[in-house]
Amino acid sequence: DGGITQSPKYLFRKEGQNVTLSCEQNLNHDAMYWYRQDPGQGLRLIYYSQIVNDFQKGDIAEGYSVSREKKESFPLTVTSAQKNPTAFYLCASYDRVGTGELFFGEGSRLTVL
Amino acid sequence: AQSVAQPEDQVNVAEGNPLTVKCTYSVSGNPYLFWYVQYPNRGLQFLLKYITGDNLVKGSYGFEAEFNKSQTSFHLKKPSALVSDSALYFCAVRAYSGAGSYQLTFGKGTKLSVIP
Repeated sequence: DGGITQSPKYLFRKEGQNVTLSCEQNLNHDAMYWYRQDPGQGLRLIYYSQIVNDFQKGDIAEGYSVSREKKESFPLTVTSAQKNPTAFYLCASYDRVGTGELFFGEGSRLTVL
Repeated sequence: AQSVAQPEDQVNVAEGNPLTVKCTYSVSGNPYLFWYVQYPNRGLQFLLKYITGDNLVKGSYGFEAEFNKSQTSFHLKKPSALVSDSALYFCAVRAYSGAGSYQLTFGKGTKLSVIP
């Protein structure tokens, strides 16, 4: 079935370590997004990419990095520069010729110990 | 800039009663509006959308939403609530962000609790 796969589901990291969250989609969507979710704050946009080899910063990009080498893949690296990385991270994709809804993965929960 | 407000952090409703989850928005131009639902530790699931046409939009699981342009609102409704409807609900508006790209801006979410 078509969809978005995020891995790992749960991840624990020590302070000072970088960690990479995987996001893969087989929906043939051009656009992909990363959101961060914290309790009571809704979803905040970290980075997004409209096409391969191009991406833009969202509202809270500091301390994060991304790459888009393949259409299907949009990994997010949480660097040691991110001051408060413990959160639930959601990846989504979007059909630019469709009617606008985002399709979401199941999320990755990162906990910094 | 676009924005979405969900004025209630939590809504409690008895099973079998009608439910309403409120949403107001601010965006330039014609709005594309969405509702999503999230169960604990899961991703967001699309419920319904308004793009144009009939102001009453029907979606998944018996939910519907009413678009009101004059009040800039897009409230989510269901005639008879189920315990399984208990979840976190997000309203979102799509806005053009330049260079042929769009972003969804989300509200902070409303936790719906349906009491047996």
